[in-house]
Amino acid sequence: DAKTTQPNSMESNEEEPVHLPCNHSTISGTDYIHWYRQLPSQGPEYVIHGLTSNVNNRMASLAIAEDRKSSTLILHRATLRDAAVYYCILRPDNYGQNFVFGPGTRLSVLP
Amino acid sequence: GAGVSQTPSNKVTEKGKYVELRCDPISGHTALYWYRQSLGQGPEFLIYFQGTGAADDSGLPNDRFFAVRPEGSVSTLKIQRTERGDSAVYLCASSRSPGRQETQYFGPGTRLLVL
Repeated sequence: DAKTTQPNSMESNEEEPVHLPCNHSTISGTDYIHWYRQLPSQGPEYVIHGLTSNVNNRMASLAIAEDRKSSTLILHRATLRDAAVYYCILRPDNYGQNFVFGPGTRLSVLP
Repeated sequence: GAGVSQTPSNKVTEKGKYVELRCDPISGHTALYWYRQSLGQGPEFLIYFQGTGAADDSGLPNDRFFAVRPEGSVSTLKIQRTERGDSAVYLCASSRSPGRQETQYFGPGTRLLVL
């Protein structure tokens, strides 16, 4: 399984932008990059995904490096509700392949 | 609409007992996944169903673990002769199909404690 590397933890101030990095140097050409987050005592929830181009949705933006060996999840204005563990996951081409979660990045948001 | 639901939300059992954990996926979702999450770690894959059949059970740790999805909707994860090391949060997820772009929708999990 292709591996991702994320910082263990990050801090942000409320209402400031947050950039969460992910390295995936062994990514293959057809792997999708997915981001999920897990709020305390809840199951993971979808944030965003992409293949090559940068992506935006109502929750966040995903910036993907040109060589695809890294990506950055951008929360434009952090709120206290964004405090969670954020997981960067590669989804390979195998149909039905499960997600392989790493330990993720624990984001703390300070008021 | 209704999301993925799991019952019970908490289960306390004694070592050696049998437990069943239930997952109700989103209606119409053909793919269903079970994961296990230990404290401080990311979820770990157990088994994946496409329809009624287990398409990939490579994550089941041993033969004490078994899962079924007889009608292609509700799934039950069964653990025999539970051990203290089985204590974890068991997560269920479903998706419309198993495609690599598909979003997986997770339930809140069942917290299993084996005493």
